[in-house]
Amino acid sequence: DTGVSQDPRHKITKRGQNVTFRCDPISEHNRLYWYRQTLGQGPEFLTYFQNEAQLEKSRLLSDRFSAERPKGSFSTLEIQRTEQGDSAMYLCASSLGGGQEKLFFGSGTQLSVL
Amino acid sequence: GQQLNQSPQSMFIQEGEDVSMNCTSSSIFNTWLWYKQDPGEGPVLLIALYKAGELTSNGRLTAQFGTTRKDSFLNISASIPSDVGIYFCAGRTGEAAGNKLTFGGGTRVLVKP
Repeated sequence: DTGVSQDPRHKITKRGQNVTFRCDPISEHNRLYWYRQTLGQGPEFLTYFQNEAQLEKSRLLSDRFSAERPKGSFSTLEIQRTEQGDSAMYLCASSLGGGQEKLFFGSGTQLSVL
Repeated sequence: GQQLNQSPQSMFIQEGEDVSMNCTSSSIFNTWLWYKQDPGEGPVLLIALYKAGELTSNGRLTAQFGTTRKDSFLNISASIPSDVGIYFCAGRTGEAAGNKLTFGGGTRVLVKP
């Protein structure tokens, strides 16, 4: 399977703990996006990378959240001092960019903060 | 918050029926994408639209980019049980506003009991 891969699929943590998620994009894709989705809602944009550069961040991305894409390939999303409100599905997507850009999503990481 | 309004929020289908859903915005979009999401999975891309008035098909699915550039429509013909799921529209306003896709709240397609 050469699609977008996310790990872990599920994460249960206690409030106050730090968590890190990983995303491996489709290999030739230079753009990588992170979205968050809560129950009953559509995905909401968090941030995106063009190669290793983080080009845009949403106001949803508080200072407890940090994302990296150190070599322009895989990306990590870390949440520090988790809160119950962080419980959501975290989705990663990748694309080739360009004028007719299409985003392809992974299966997501479901985070539950107890 | 969400800028895209999807209608209906939910619908029941009977096998063989044609179904329609739409997405409207107060802003002009230059790209519309339609996705389907199954429980516990990520959204899967169905159709992409890049030009006002464009009509594109993918099997039994047909989507249109509205001429005002503020709406889009998705039709499913001869529905089958595996069409059940949540359908999301997503739009992009253009390079000046960044590359992010904005998603609607989804249309939930369910099977009639």
